[in-house]
Amino acid sequence: DVKVTQSSRYLVKRTGEKVFLECVQDMDHENMFWYRQDPGLGLRLIYFSYDVKMKEKGDIPEGYSVSREKKERFSLILESASTNQTSMYLCASSLSWYRGRSYEQYFGPGTRLTVT
Amino acid sequence: SQQGEEDPQALSIQEGENATMNCSYKTSINNLQWYRQNSGRGLVHLILIRSNEREKHSGRLRVTLDTSKKSSSLLITASRAADTASYFCATDRRRALTFGSGTRLQVQP
Repeated sequence: DVKVTQSSRYLVKRTGEKVFLECVQDMDHENMFWYRQDPGLGLRLIYFSYDVKMKEKGDIPEGYSVSREKKERFSLILESASTNQTSMYLCASSLSWYRGRSYEQYFGPGTRLTVT
Repeated sequence: SQQGEEDPQALSIQEGENATMNCSYKTSINNLQWYRQNSGRGLVHLILIRSNEREKHSGRLRVTLDTSKKSSSLLITASRAADTASYFCATDRRRALTFGSGTRLQVQP
């Protein structure tokens, strides 16, 4: 059974802290994604990676960075957490696109981050 | 930017009824996907329809795609209380997907 796991289900951090959210997939997928989900705004793409050490900015990359040193692991880093980064963070993975066509994404359970 | 927009935002029906959700998008696509999210959980893929397909079925789910109108619909037949969830459409973008804001479906037992 395919699996995407995230390091924490709930996390509480203080303003200014450096926060690491980790995501691991066991499907040998090339693509990995980080989204944040806020009420009424749906899912917004923060960053994605299409290969080891390769990354691209999504729609809302400000205040975030990512790291992909191994194919199965994709980390989201909040350099200096702020209260407006309180949100649900979702990680996903998928096969590499072929001729511009997407494949289904597999999601982790999410991390609900609260920054106080 | 939100490529796909679902309509309605919320829908409440009785068990056994059919539920229809719509998705509109702005630019041309290769694929359109539908996902489900139970409260506080990750999303689960339901169905993918390609731009050259008009209709696709999976169990009690039926998805249609009208590329001339840039719209898609998801029909859930004979709904069950367990279908209570949020439903999202997602469209292709460069190397990633763009999700709409979702339809919240409540199925009353």
